[in-house]
Amino acid sequence: DTGVSQNPRHKITKRGQNVTFRCDPISEHNRLYWYRQTLGQGPEFLTYFQNEAQLEKSRLLSDRFSAERPKGSFSTLEIQRTEQGDSAMYLCASSSQLAGGREQFFGPGTRLTVL
Amino acid sequence: AQTVTQSQPEMSVQEAETVTLSCTYDTSESDYYLFWYKQPPSRQMILVIRQEAYKQQNATENRFSVNFQKAAKSFSLKISDSQLGDAAMYFCAYTGGGADGLTFGKGTHLIIQP
Repeated sequence: DTGVSQNPRHKITKRGQNVTFRCDPISEHNRLYWYRQTLGQGPEFLTYFQNEAQLEKSRLLSDRFSAERPKGSFSTLEIQRTEQGDSAMYLCASSSQLAGGREQFFGPGTRLTVL
Repeated sequence: AQTVTQSQPEMSVQEAETVTLSCTYDTSESDYYLFWYKQPPSRQMILVIRQEAYKQQNATENRFSVNFQKAAKSFSLKISDSQLGDAAMYFCAYTGGGADGLTFGKGTHLIIQP
């Protein structure tokens, strides 16, 4: 399977704990995006990487959130001191700058539940 | 800021019939891209169709086609010969000429009646 993969698929944590999610993009894609999707809503953009550089961050990405993409390959999204309002599906997507079409390919998501 | 509006929270159609899902958007940019994504229950988001704003011709992918009205900022999706497997949430999405993140609508839940 050469699609976007995300781990873990599900995460249950207690309020105040830190969590980290991983995303592996399609291998030839140099752009990687993180989104958050709550129940009954469309995904909301969080942040974007081109290669290893984080080029854009949404105002939704509070100081408790941090994302990295070392070496321009996989990416991690960490949430510190989780709150119940962080419960959501976290989606990762990738795209190719060379393809020029702007379409993004999504992974299956990580569902976070904060108790 | 760009916004995407899907005014139909839910649509229902008989199998083999045709259904149209509506989407409007607001932008001040001249170069942008529009997409329809499908999200089946508990499954990942799949790209259905895309439209470049500079292209006047409406995009078509098999049973899926769009009606892109640039002046009206409207981008509707037509699904012909609906199949049970088409049942899903459908999201309209926008991105500008740069490598921006996608802006999504709230989605339309499509039900296919056998």
